[in-house]
Amino acid sequence: QQQVKQSPQSLIVQKGGISIINCAYENTAFDYFPWYQQFPGKGPALLIAIRPDVSEKKEGRFTISFNKSAKQFSLHIMDSQPGDSATYFCAASMGSWGKLQFGAGTQVVVTP
Amino acid sequence: GAVVSQHPSRVICKSGTSVKIECRSLDFQATTMFWYRQFPKQSLMLMATSNEGSKATYEQGVEKDKFLINHASLTLSTLTVTSAHPEDSSFYICSAPGQEGYGYTFGSGTRLTVV
Repeated sequence: QQQVKQSPQSLIVQKGGISIINCAYENTAFDYFPWYQQFPGKGPALLIAIRPDVSEKKEGRFTISFNKSAKQFSLHIMDSQPGDSATYFCAASMGSWGKLQFGAGTQVVVTP
Repeated sequence: GAVVSQHPSRVICKSGTSVKIECRSLDFQATTMFWYRQFPKQSLMLMATSNEGSKATYEQGVEKDKFLINHASLTLSTLTVTSAHPEDSSFYICSAPGQEGYGYTFGSGTRLTVV
């Protein structure tokens, strides 16, 4: 049973557009929500993470929006670039060093 | 920043043989290492957690006798796939707690193909 549900499964966006990926969770004990970027044949790399005491966090072109009451969080990639083409995973854990529960992943393709 | 070096990046082995995958923390001490398996176009599945100097903890459904994990030092954890079969072909990734504020750091992964 997947504890973190992620959608969509795949996404095609034009260069300069906005990519939006959504995740939902059930376990209210989760208090750390990272997003990872993974290129083919490579391990995941941390993009950005948020804790439930804030509703939004922005780092460059990447923004996490967090809705604690709805138990949902999302990643927005602004001004998407072809180099952003990758698979993105949301995750959740209890504490920064708790076991990560990953979403199913979203394959993002940014067309030139 | 915290770096986990994983080797080999690719390995092809014959069915019935064993393969060892190494993960080293290069600039920090990793008392804990997580081992994941990832099938094509799927998410990461946690296989086991290794702790330096003690026995690994395996997730439900993971055969501990097949996937041997050793964490003998604070900078090295190894995963040995014993008597490998084609269904063990997968992408194996290790991960360790990195610097505070930077979350877990992942190895670059090992593509195992069993023929």
